[in-house]
Amino acid sequence: EPEVTQTPSHQVTQMGQEVILRCVPISNHLYFYWYRQILGQKVEFLVSFYNNEISEKSEIFDDQFSVERPDGSNFTLKIRSTKLEDSAMYFCASSERQGSHNEQFFGPGTRLTVL
Amino acid sequence: QKEVEQDPGPLSVPEGAIVSLNCTYSNSAFQYFMWYRQYSRKGPELLMYTYSSGNKEDGRFTAQVDKSSKYISLFIRDSQPSDSATYLCAMSRGGGNKLTFGTGTQLKVEL
Repeated sequence: EPEVTQTPSHQVTQMGQEVILRCVPISNHLYFYWYRQILGQKVEFLVSFYNNEISEKSEIFDDQFSVERPDGSNFTLKIRSTKLEDSAMYFCASSERQGSHNEQFFGPGTRLTVL
Repeated sequence: QKEVEQDPGPLSVPEGAIVSLNCTYSNSAFQYFMWYRQYSRKGPELLMYTYSSGNKEDGRFTAQVDKSSKYISLFIRDSQPSDSATYLCAMSRGGGNKLTFGTGTQLKVEL
C-alpha cells in the first residue's frame, strides 16, 4: 500500500542552525502539506503546496520557514534559523484531489529537537 | 470559542465495550470530516473519512456527521486492547484545504 515517508526520523540541532526535513508523498497525489505537533498539544497546520506553489499557510509559517519540491518526488521543509520553540514532531501529508476526495495521508513524522 | 473541540479524556473502557468519541465545531464552512488514530509519537493514521452529513461504516467503526448541530462522532464496536490510542477528529472546508484538528481523545481499552 502506498505511503508517505519522511526522513530523518529524529533530528537534533543547535539553536540558530538550519534544518531540512524531507518527505516523499504518495506518487499520484497533487496536494502536499506540513503539520507540526508540539509534545502534548494538537496537530497544527503549517503550509499546503499545490502546483509548485504555496496555496495556504498559517501564522506559524513565518519567514524562517520555506518549502520546496525540488524534483518529482521529494517535498522539503526548511527552517532557516531554528528556535527552541521549533522543537516538535513535523508531519508531512499528501492528498489527491479528485472530486470530493480530500483524504490526507500522513507520514510517520520527524522529531525535531532544538537545543 | 475554539474552532474544533474534543474531550481529551483519558477514556478507559473494558474490552468489548462500545466506544463513543465526539467533536463539536464552530465553522459552518467545514465539509470534510475525518477521524485519525495516533499511537504515541507516531503519525496520524486515517480511519474514517466523511463528506458532508450522514453515516459511514467500516468494519467495527462508524462515523456520524450532523452538520445542523456541528457535531461529529466515531463509534467503535467490540473494542479491543489494540484500539488503545489517541483519536483525533479533523475537518476541512474543501478539497486541498488544510485540516483543523481537535486536541485528541486518549482511549484505553482494558482486558
